Amino acid sequence: DTAVSQTPKYLVTQMGNDKSIKCEQNLGHDTMYWYKQDSKKFLKIMFSYNNKELIINETVPNRFSPKSPDKAHLNLHINSLELGDSAVYFCASSQDLGGWLDTQYFGPGTRLTVL
Amino acid sequence: AQKVTQAQTEISVVEKEDVTLDCVYETRDTTYYLFWYKQPPSGELVFLIRRNSFDEQNEISGRYSWNFQKSTSSFNFTITASQVVDSAVYFCALSEANFGNEKLTFGTGTRLTIIP
Repeated sequence: DTAVSQTPKYLVTQMGNDKSIKCEQNLGHDTMYWYKQDSKKFLKIMFSYNNKELIINETVPNRFSPKSPDKAHLNLHINSLELGDSAVYFCASSQDLGGWLDTQYFGPGTRLTVL
Repeated sequence: AQKVTQAQTEISVVEKEDVTLDCVYETRDTTYYLFWYKQPPSGELVFLIRRNSFDEQNEISGRYSWNFQKSTSSFNFTITASQVVDSAVYFCALSEANFGNEKLTFGTGTRLTIIP
């Protein structure tokens, strides 16, 4: 069974469209994250949620909106896609240890290409 | 602010050679965590090791070993007798123990190529 899964794996779309990426974890973790990896492989956190509550929001445009329907899911919705949004988006999860960061386990990534 | 530096952008070695990937970090916290992740050509991020700032013991796992030195703020990774399957981008990452700010700060990665 996959621990952290993301769908879709590849997403190709036109500029201006709205798209969503879904993430699910079956590890029973309390905290979930979204990271963006750019073309130079640089990984940067975008958001984190703990038990459906937004904890970290790292200077991400308002066009990006995470949604956590329950603690096992964290979806990423992107409005009005721009060329610069092309990247690989990784979802991750970790156990909440009350400030002691547990290991983050990553999903397989979603490669988003905006044309 | 926390920062991770992986000065080696790319390394190529011949199979069976040993190779060390460098990682230098900056943090103002006394309690923090260091990680290494592997990203093979298939693209997923694979967790390799987690080490907290109070544990400076070196660790060995098969052909992999890690050398943590607080005095030089380094957490280097050595692969012994490298194999082609070790070809990947390797990321070092840091997190401070700061409730509500449990995020990983990644280095820029080192692309390791093992030549058969």
